[in-house]
Amino acid sequence: GAGVSQSPSNKVTEKGKDVELRCDPISGHTALYWYRQRLGQGLEFLIYFQGNSAPDKSGLPSDRFSAERTGESVSTLTIQRTQQEDSAVYLCASSARRAVTRLNTEAFFGQGTRLTVV
Amino acid sequence: SQQGEEDPQALSIQEGENATMNCSYKTSINNLQWYRQNSGRGLVHLILIRSNEREKHSGRLRVTLDTSKKSSSLLITASRAADTASYFCASTSGTYKYIFGTGTRLKVLA
Repeated sequence: GAGVSQSPSNKVTEKGKDVELRCDPISGHTALYWYRQRLGQGLEFLIYFQGNSAPDKSGLPSDRFSAERTGESVSTLTIQRTQQEDSAVYLCASSARRAVTRLNTEAFFGQGTRLTVV
Repeated sequence: SQQGEEDPQALSIQEGENATMNCSYKTSINNLQWYRQNSGRGLVHLILIRSNEREKHSGRLRVTLDTSKKSSSLLITASRAADTASYFCASTSGTYKYIFGTGTRLKVLA
């Protein structure tokens, strides 16, 4: 597909269970981002990948959260032992960040995964 | 918090009127971008303004940037019901992060 694809679109899970969220970025985009958006609020930065390395994981809320990326392709965000406070929309974005100038260009977002922890 | 702020938080106008929303950010920037979000899902890029630009137009959108005040505004002229959405600014600096504002919820009444 031409855009950023996220799956699943919706996920309902029981408190304490692990969940895995997937993001397929636009082909050729080296930069990939995960954001969290709680209901009615702004976007909270979680993690950034450049290629398959994650230079900044400082936004991950706790050690229950982890993410990985395969090459310049698919990324998965894993939340272990989910809590009700983890309920939110998790948004993935990719961009063709220009490494030489280090200037961010337009970010392309997926439709997000709405996670509900019951 | 790293987040910028937008005001107003919510705006309700009649179709045909202009809508203005403002964004403030905290650090020096390379560029500032505006995004639109429908129904709390994916964001769509609207316009990018570089730090050395003061004003930019795209269709019915007009963006201004005042780096001395660390602020930007988005004007939507001749609004339509289909413009109903949340609007976010995102600043980018020497780092890789897009720092998003808290958003303005715009409602255009037909």
